[in-house]
Amino acid sequence: RKEVEQDPGPFNVPEGATVAFNCTYSNSASQSFFWYRQDCRKEPKLLMSVYSSGNEDGRFTAQLNRASQYISLLIRDSKLSDSATYLCVVNVGYNFNKFYFGSGTKLNVKP
Amino acid sequence: GAVVSQHPSRVICKSGTSVKIECRSLDFQATTMFWYRQFPKQSLMLMATSNEGSKATYEQGVEKDKFLINHASLTLSTLTVTSAHPEDSSFYICSGRQGAGEKLFFGSGTQLSVL
Repeated sequence: RKEVEQDPGPFNVPEGATVAFNCTYSNSASQSFFWYRQDCRKEPKLLMSVYSSGNEDGRFTAQLNRASQYISLLIRDSKLSDSATYLCVVNVGYNFNKFYFGSGTKLNVKP
Repeated sequence: GAVVSQHPSRVICKSGTSVKIECRSLDFQATTMFWYRQFPKQSLMLMATSNEGSKATYEQGVEKDKFLINHASLTLSTLTVTSAHPEDSSFYICSGRQGAGEKLFFGSGTQLSVL
């Protein structure tokens, strides 16, 4: 079983739409959670960390459900520039020594 | 923010040759360096984890004799793909971590094409 699973999409949405991605993780000992954004053939860039209480950064809201072992990302008022692949990342292991990436969810925002 | 410089960005080589990829942390000490591989339309797959001054820990299914990792200093880690074959063609990317920090700092990746 994969450490991290995501719906690959693509999600095709119009500008201004609200879109949500989910991600599930298999290791209950996972310690930290993140959403990264990756543009085609570029390095991933950290979008936001995910905290148990949920957190928001502008149009982006991330939530963590430890009981069900899933993480979500909500994007409001989608922009064309939001088109990218969104990667769910889970950190496990002693001393934060393993970072596992989901396969990514592709988002296409259309005019 | 912290910067990891990865070179080369693109390499094309003949089958059977070896290719070295370098990652340098420019403004922080990368006590841990992670090496990932990404095939088209797939996720980043962790290949190995290296701590400065120690032997790398390889993920299951990754041949340690084929993918040689050196992390001799806090600012430099290298991945050498030995006797590369076409199936090794992929996007290789490193990411550094300082101490026990949660954040990863990525290199810009190396696209390897083996003919």
